[in-house]
This record gives sequence, C-alpha cells and structure tokens, in this order.
Amino acid sequence: DAGVIQSPRHEVTEMGQEVTLRCKPISGHDYLFWYRQTMMRGLELLIYFNNNVPIDDSGMPEDRFSAKMPNASFSTLKIQPSEPRDSAVYFCASSPIAGTYEQYFGPGTRLTVT
Amino acid sequence: AQTVTQSQPEMSVQEAETVTLSCTYDTSENNYYLFWYKQPPSRQMILVIRQEAYKQQNATENRFSVNFQKAAKSFSLKISDSQLGDTAMYFCASLNTGNQFYFGTGTSLTVIP
Repeated sequence: DAGVIQSPRHEVTEMGQEVTLRCKPISGHDYLFWYRQTMMRGLELLIYFNNNVPIDDSGMPEDRFSAKMPNASFSTLKIQPSEPRDSAVYFCASSPIAGTYEQYFGPGTRLTVT
Repeated sequence: AQTVTQSQPEMSVQEAETVTLSCTYDTSENNYYLFWYKQPPSRQMILVIRQEAYKQQNATENRFSVNFQKAAKSFSLKISDSQLGDTAMYFCASLNTGNQFYFGTGTSLTVIP
C-alpha cells in the first residue's frame, strides 16, 4: 500500500492567493483527517470526514479555510485568500475504524505564505 | 475535551542508554486509547506504540515500552538501547470513542553518539 499521499510537498505562495492542498487516503479507510502543525500551536485538528461526510469542522480557523471530500479517495483543503499566518505544515491522515485505530499520516505539505 | 501534556520540551540521551519521555492526560472517558508518535526530520508521523486503556498490561514494541498508570493518567514512553535513528520529535496522543485525537506539544529527543 502506498500510504496516505499528499500533494504538493512544498507550496510557496503570496499573500492573497488561493492555495489547494490535496490528499489521497489509504484505500478502505473510512475516516480522513486534516491537521495543521506549527511551532506555536503544535498539532491541531482542523476537520475530519467519515465516509466523505464532514463530521467535525470546529477546528477550522476561519471562513478562509474550506475542505471537501468528493469521493472516498480524494480530499482537498483550500485556503482563500491565504495569509502569512497560515504558514505551517498541513497533514492529512486516514483511519479504518472509529475510536480504536491509530491514524496513518501522510508526509505533510509545508506551506509558506509570503 | 481531553488534554495531553508533555512537560519535557527537549531531552537528550547517550547512544545505547535508556530514556523515558513523560506524558499525562486528562479525560472523563472510560474507554480510550493512547499512542506515541515519532516525527523525525523527514516530518513523517510514525506510530511507535499503542495502548488500550482497558488493558492493564503495558504495551511493548521491541525497544519501546510504556508505563501506563491509569489512575494517575500517566503514559510514559521508555526507549531502551537508544539509537541515532531515534532522534526525533515524540508526540503523545489520546483517542476517545468519538474518534478525536488529542496531541501533546511534543518532546524533542536527541540521541548523542
């Protein structure tokens, strides 16, 4: 299995631009999670999906952030417009079953907004 | 909400020695799971070890073991025979039945040759 795939691995963009991060979960996993990691705040859960449906988006910082999961094998996290304080590493993770299984993380996308 | 606390921002250990990383958590749930994740410089989050709260026996995984004290809500990680490849950030995490992961702030471990 290829594991959780994220693209791009690195993204540098200017303030005000739209940024789209992509994730392909492990096949057969029903849960998908988006995290943000910064030095100041550590790992934060932004949103998670179950069977392509958003379950909890209370961690999404503001309306500039949106996430979709159009099918079981693809999810996007979009930031529009981007700001320098959005600079962070964004992780996608997937899990097969609720409540009992560890989450499998992708390699992350390092986002830099200048 | 659950909280996970790692009180050691940085630690170091001599190669081949043993080191223990501390973690405490707070939860009102009876059924939950605890994890240690490793994040090397490559940034990849790698599962190190997993513990079910209903099991009294401490989990072990080769050189990695935990000391799970449920009453004290403590979940420390012991790394024996430390190797240079163990240098990484280590995150303690708890998972409740609502499928919410709560991560600590991490401990940066350096293994010294």
